[in-house]
Amino acid sequence: ILNVEQSPQSLHVQEGDSTNFTCSFPSSNFYALHWYRWETAKSPEALFVMTLNGDEKKKGRISATLNTKEGYSYLYIKGSQPEDSATYLCASFLQAGTALIFGKGTTLSVSS
Amino acid sequence: DGGITQSPKYLFRKEGQNVTLSCEQNLNHDAMYWYRQDPGQGLRLIYYSQIVNDFQKGDIAEGYSVSREKKESFPLTVTSAQKNPTAFYLCASSIAGRGSYEQYFGPGTRLTVT
Repeated sequence: ILNVEQSPQSLHVQEGDSTNFTCSFPSSNFYALHWYRWETAKSPEALFVMTLNGDEKKKGRISATLNTKEGYSYLYIKGSQPEDSATYLCASFLQAGTALIFGKGTTLSVSS
Repeated sequence: DGGITQSPKYLFRKEGQNVTLSCEQNLNHDAMYWYRQDPGQGLRLIYYSQIVNDFQKGDIAEGYSVSREKKESFPLTVTSAQKNPTAFYLCASSIAGRGSYEQYFGPGTRLTVT
C-alpha cells in the first residue's frame, strides 16, 4: 500500500508563532515530493517540488526539508500570519507508480 | 492569462444521468489529471493523461470516463455507474515527466447528485 501521511490533521496557532508539519511517504522507489497550499475558495498552488535527499527549499517565511532515506519531509512556517491560514497538501511521486499520491493535508488556522 | 479553467463551478444532476465536467488549459501542458475530493479525504486520482489520445486509470476510475482529443481539453464524464458521484472535482495539468514538475489546478466543480 502506497500511503502518504500528514500530521497533524489540523493546527491552530497565534499570529507570530512558528510552526511545522510532517509528511511521511514510502522511502523505497522515491522520485519526488510536492507541497501545495490550498486556501479556501481558491485552487491549490505549488509551494515546493523536491527530489534530492537533504534538499531544503525556501519561499519567504516558508521552508521545507526532505529526507528520502527515512521517508519524511517537514514544512516550516516562521512567524505565522493570518494569510497563512490554509490546508497544506503533501504529495509523493514514486518510480513504481505513475502519478502523485496525496496526503489528506494539514489545515492551519492563524489567529491575529 | 495562462491558466486552467473548469466549468461549471456548481452542477446539480438527478441520479441516473450522465454528466460531463469541463477542463481546459492554455499552459501548453502535455499532462492532465482529474482528482476527486471527499470530506476528510485527500485528493484521489480518477484519470490522467500524459499525451493527446492517451489516458490511464487512476485509483478510483470506476464509473468515470475521459477523453483527450485535444491537448487543451480533458473532459470527465461521471456516469450513472458511479455509486457516489456527489463530490468536489479538481482538474490539474503539468509538464509531463515523472513527477518533477508542479501541477497547476483549476478552481474545481462541485457536483451534487440527488
